[in-house]
Amino acid sequence: AQKVTQAQTEISVVEKEDVTLDCVYETRDTTYYLFWYKQPPSGELVFLIRRNSFDEQNEISGRYSWNFQKSTSSFNFTITASQVVDSAVYFCALSDWAGGTSYGKLTFGQGTILTVHP
Amino acid sequence: NAGVTQTPKFQVLKTGQSMTLQCAQDMNHEYMSWYRQDPGMGLRLIHYSVGAGITDQGEVPNGYNVSRSTTEDFPLRLLSAAPSQTSVYFCASSYSGRWGGFAFFGQGTRLTVV
Repeated sequence: AQKVTQAQTEISVVEKEDVTLDCVYETRDTTYYLFWYKQPPSGELVFLIRRNSFDEQNEISGRYSWNFQKSTSSFNFTITASQVVDSAVYFCALSDWAGGTSYGKLTFGQGTILTVHP
Repeated sequence: NAGVTQTPKFQVLKTGQSMTLQCAQDMNHEYMSWYRQDPGMGLRLIHYSVGAGITDQGEVPNGYNVSRSTTEDFPLRLLSAAPSQTSVYFCASSYSGRWGGFAFFGQGTRLTVV
């Protein structure tokens, strides 16, 4: 069975600080996909980033960056120069990839509540 | 392009009542799924569908029924609501292929069972 663990329940930072959200996953699949979603106070789920298991190149997109380490089964997400609008719940998710497709099934972590203070 | 539309946004039910949460997508996605979100537990998969007429159970299917008669619609039925079903429900759709796990989510339905 797949599992995603976000050990940080809540994080509080001051604006302009960098913040890293941790995600550790378990899967028996050799090919899989990882995602980060943001849930602002308004409640919708906003897609942020995705990464496949066979490309370990880490990337930066604006203030967001991610560090995928297959050896430690981790997929950490960093926000640089945090802003008050970044305050939200952040979810890490893992796709089930049986038979070459995921069927749209995701396994989510418990979520990390990020509060950015002015 | 509306994406994934869920109705209603809020609902209060009495224990034992039944209701249907509606979900519609206009992206011609093959895959649709229902999740529930509870505090401290993230989102958990209730049921999913890989196409019209094909559904299967997820992690927490008890107390819920689904059917998929068209590509666009995937309603979730609560036959006899229980307080344990108080939650926020999200419908999602995704396409097949390489990024089939990339889910588009609806706005959510906040359900309270009293």
